[in-house]
Amino acid sequence: IAGITQAPTSQILAAGRRMTLRCTQDMRHNAMYWYRQDLGLGLRLIHYSNTAGTTGKGEVPDGYSVSRANTDDFPLTLASAVPSQTSVYFCASSENSGSTNEQFFGPGTRLTVL
Amino acid sequence: GQNIDQPTEMTATEGAIVQINCTYQTSGFNGLFWYQQHAGEAPTFLSYNVLDGLEEKGRFSSFLSRSKGYSYLLLKELQMKDSASYLCAAMDSNYQLIWGAGTKLIIKP
Repeated sequence: IAGITQAPTSQILAAGRRMTLRCTQDMRHNAMYWYRQDLGLGLRLIHYSNTAGTTGKGEVPDGYSVSRANTDDFPLTLASAVPSQTSVYFCASSENSGSTNEQFFGPGTRLTVL
Repeated sequence: GQNIDQPTEMTATEGAIVQINCTYQTSGFNGLFWYQQHAGEAPTFLSYNVLDGLEEKGRFSSFLSRSKGYSYLLLKELQMKDSASYLCAAMDSNYQLIWGAGTKLIIKP
């Protein structure tokens, strides 16, 4: 693989269910990010990780959790999905945090919570 | 608070020039990014400005005025494949990106 991959591509989920969105990058980037994109709004940061083993909260972290066990993987978990979490989720990475490096984005996961 | 403003939608003709404006207010400033996003796809990096002035990259140019909190993306010789949303994002003092809602550019033949 080259770049960032996300899985699944799309998912329909019943409210109250637990869901993990997967994200893997092979660029050996230190920093990774999870965004949600909703119509009429800019990308909003959910959680981020500056390096393996560390995570931080973004603008809209409630209802989501992340882990960063290694450099390549950065899964996002919805513990108990709600309809307001219906969105397109993008994972991104950059070479380093605290720098002006560009971010590279995965193809996105379209999630519908009913 | 932190805020990015850009027009919701613009229409232009194939072969013409279009300028997409962006104004920003952030806590500190570490540069201004432009990304392109085709419908149903991921954003892709176009340009980065941190100093005042114009940066040219092929058909695309980006301008920044730090004193005015203003940037624009200039697209020349428009092609149908330029139909996309263009996202403006300012980097704040914590190196976090603050994103605009995007400008949907429609190119007509």
